[in-house]
Amino acid sequence: GQNIDQPTEMTATEGAIVQINCTYQTSGFNGLFWYQQHAGEAPTFLSYNVLDGLEEKGRFSSFLSRSKGYSYLLLKELQMKDSASYLCAVRGNYGQNFVFGPGTRLSVLP
Amino acid sequence: EPEVTQTPSHQVTQMGQEVILRCVPISNHLYFYWYRQILGQKVEFLVSFYNNEISEKSEIFDDQFSVERPDGSNFTLKIRSTKLEDSAMYFCASARTSGRLNTGELFFGEGSRLTVL
Repeated sequence: GQNIDQPTEMTATEGAIVQINCTYQTSGFNGLFWYQQHAGEAPTFLSYNVLDGLEEKGRFSSFLSRSKGYSYLLLKELQMKDSASYLCAVRGNYGQNFVFGPGTRLSVLP
Repeated sequence: EPEVTQTPSHQVTQMGQEVILRCVPISNHLYFYWYRQILGQKVEFLVSFYNNEISEKSEIFDDQFSVERPDGSNFTLKIRSTKLEDSAMYFCASARTSGRLNTGELFFGEGSRLTVL
């Protein structure tokens, strides 16, 4: 089966750092993706990991441990515009189904 | 920057009516997808399409659903007889083929909001 878990909601303060965790159990693995989705809008791609370790991209970093079925997204220097849902998604086999987690709704407070 | 476009942005229909949602994927992409998101819930996979045929579909994608790529640019989702529970945002997405410099991430369209009354 396919199962992806994320915390439902998180709250953080402007300028702070927040870590959003994702655990997964999927029948295949060919990459883990993080997407940002503002309310009423389409998901937009943030980051990608296929090998273990940390990938850094400006204020956003993502980490993957394949043996633990675990990833996190790290957001630094939080801004109000970072208030959104963050979706963890696993691609099973290349070009095939991406399975999305339930998303974590992040609220950034002044 | 190339983008996935979807029409209509919002459609209201009566239960039992047929609906066609249209998508124009990014031109050099080879993999096409439909996802749906019921309000307040997660993004759910419906179907993937590659090389002019369905490559994978979910349990949601039953006989009431079909997809077509009628020409070189459009990718459509048809719901034959809509039900109340089909009310959702439907997202089309596309991805490029594999490549060393390409992650193969999904590019989403802005979505078509379907309301079934």
